[in-house]
Amino acid sequence: EAGVVQSPRYKIIEKKQPVAFWCNPISGHNTLYWYRQNLGQGPELLIRYENEEAVDDSQLPKDRFSAERLKGVDSTLKIQPAELGDSAVYLCASSLGSGMNTEAFFGQGTRLTVV
Amino acid sequence: AQSVAQPEDQVNVAEGNPLTVKCTYSVSGNPYLFWYVQYPNRGLQFLLKYITGDNLVKGSYGFEAEFNKSQTSFHLKKPSALVSDSALYFCAVSSRDSTLTFGKGTMLLVSP
Repeated sequence: EAGVVQSPRYKIIEKKQPVAFWCNPISGHNTLYWYRQNLGQGPELLIRYENEEAVDDSQLPKDRFSAERLKGVDSTLKIQPAELGDSAVYLCASSLGSGMNTEAFFGQGTRLTVV
Repeated sequence: AQSVAQPEDQVNVAEGNPLTVKCTYSVSGNPYLFWYVQYPNRGLQFLLKYITGDNLVKGSYGFEAEFNKSQTSFHLKKPSALVSDSALYFCAVSSRDSTLTFGKGTMLLVSP
């Protein structure tokens, strides 16, 4: 069974440019998460989807970040414009359901460097 | 608000020796606790979880974790470390809606 697939793996952009990340979750997983992992830190949630509905986007910086999950499967996360502080690894995860004891499966992440 | 603390940035152990990676948590209500491992240039991999029941939880690759409610701890353990266990380990607690709150991670280095 394929795991969570993310692309691209690496992205280098200049500040003020837009960037987008793509995630394909595990088949059948209705819950999808985007996390951001800064260097030397644990991942922090940006947004959580239940099917196509964003049910928790309280930590998403909405002035420059946006996300969508059309048809409740694939998802994209966009930053426009990017800032130097956005350099981080962006992780996508999915889970079967959203109970407290549900483990999430993570993709390899997209390492973003803003110069 | 829930939180996780991993007091050690790095743990060093010789191959064949037992290892412990520490984790303490703070959460209202019953805790749901997880350990994930992150190898270089790879995503987080699930190791094990505590939901309820036996305080000693067994997981992947020979790892286990001991839940201690009175000490609010969930330490990761392995009886005999391997060089290939060297990686970054994250403890996490789950919220009501399954969102994970992670610790900052502990780097485990196993020397030959």
